[in-house]
Amino acid sequence: GQQVMQIPQYQHVQEGEDFTTYCNSSTTLSNIQWYKQRPGGHPVFLIQLVKSGEVKKQKRLTFQFGEAKKNSSLHITATQTTDVGTYFCAGRDAGNNRKLIWGLGTSLAVNP
Amino acid sequence: DGGITQSPKYLFRKEGQNVTLSCEQNLNHDAMYWYRQDPGQGLRLIYYSQIVNDFQKGDIAEGYSVSREKKESFPLTVTSAQKNPTAFYLCASSILAGTTGELFFGEGSRLTVL
Repeated sequence: GQQVMQIPQYQHVQEGEDFTTYCNSSTTLSNIQWYKQRPGGHPVFLIQLVKSGEVKKQKRLTFQFGEAKKNSSLHITATQTTDVGTYFCAGRDAGNNRKLIWGLGTSLAVNP
Repeated sequence: DGGITQSPKYLFRKEGQNVTLSCEQNLNHDAMYWYRQDPGQGLRLIYYSQIVNDFQKGDIAEGYSVSREKKESFPLTVTSAQKNPTAFYLCASSILAGTTGELFFGEGSRLTVL
């Protein structure tokens, strides 16, 4: 079936280090969304990427959508303790746009 | 303030009991969703609804039931047929079920079966 693989599952960094999480889909996506879930909280929408090769930035966060629209990444520069949480990608299959396919998330821990 | 309200936040139930989780939104969104979250398993879709009086099964609908009698409300019943109901349940909504539209999530309901 349709899958979105997300790696790594966990990442532990020192404050100030960079962090990247990757998502790879088995099928072409029409778009991909990224969410952040703080510990004990609920997912909060960060961004949506639609175009092939698209790159978007939000302060220290950089989001990329691959040329083939099958992969995406989230890069955080100079992590802070406020970045702690689980980051999820969720892609819409190009053949079945109603369904969001979720990655399993990457849990980020930041040592102060 | 617009948003999604889930209740209760915490719920304990005995085995064999049905329980209903409430989800109300005042965002005027057409689509509503129920997800289940277990540690290390991400979000799994239980049911979704794109319009009043209509809903579709998601990936793990067995043991659950829903209704959508009003646009604002999408309650989820966890029945006694659900073999492993202890989990964190998240309700979400979006403007339209379709190609675009971010999901807005409620704060979740944590169900524990004793």
